Amino acid sequence: AQSVTQLGSHVSVSEGALVLLRCNYSSSVPPYLFWYVQYPNQGLQLLLKYTSAATLVKGINGFEAEFKKSETSFHLTKPSAHMSDAAEYFCAVILDQTGANNLFFGTGTRLTVIP
Amino acid sequence: NAGVTQTPKFRVLKTGQSMTLLCAQDMNHEYMYWYRQDPGMGLRLIHYSVGEGTTAKGEVPDGYNVSRLKKQNFLLGLESAAPSQTSVYFCASSRGLSYNEQFFGPGTRLTVL
Repeated sequence: AQSVTQLGSHVSVSEGALVLLRCNYSSSVPPYLFWYVQYPNQGLQLLLKYTSAATLVKGINGFEAEFKKSETSFHLTKPSAHMSDAAEYFCAVILDQTGANNLFFGTGTRLTVIP
Repeated sequence: NAGVTQTPKFRVLKTGQSMTLLCAQDMNHEYMYWYRQDPGMGLRLIHYSVGEGTTAKGEVPDGYNVSRLKKQNFLLGLESAAPSQTSVYFCASSRGLSYNEQFFGPGTRLTVL
């Protein structure tokens, strides 16, 4: 069963435009949710995480995400895209908070920023 | 701090050959993980460790073995490489609490011919 679904494997936006990357999760327990970014030929870097403290989470580089339980969503947004935002973005969830805290990743969304 | 490092960065193997990928972290993290990344499939967990001397299977463990003899190192072994193991391999570590982030290494690109 898919734990995390990212809609859209590729998203293109113009520089200065709104960035919206979609993530939906399935979990029977309150999840911990994460967004990671991967720049070309690099490892993953944490953008932000939701750990039930606040539904609107602010991360690095101007990104934020809102946890919506009713919609089982954790979409990533940025008001104004910059060329340096071009990368692949992964949504991930921890389902078992009593075990090894393994992350389940979505399939990723590649963001292209058009000048 | 170097964070999480991986050795080697690139490797080409022939089918049936063996190799070991080394992951090292200098953050004194308890938990360590090995993932593989394939196009269109995100990252999938191969094996993980919650402490020195302990290992466990993840989502796709077949064809791989791991060892964690020292807290700072986590080794991934391929005993008899197959073309299906062509992938980019990432190691990660974390402090272990569920809300702690995982820190990733730069990856190893492995090609099996």
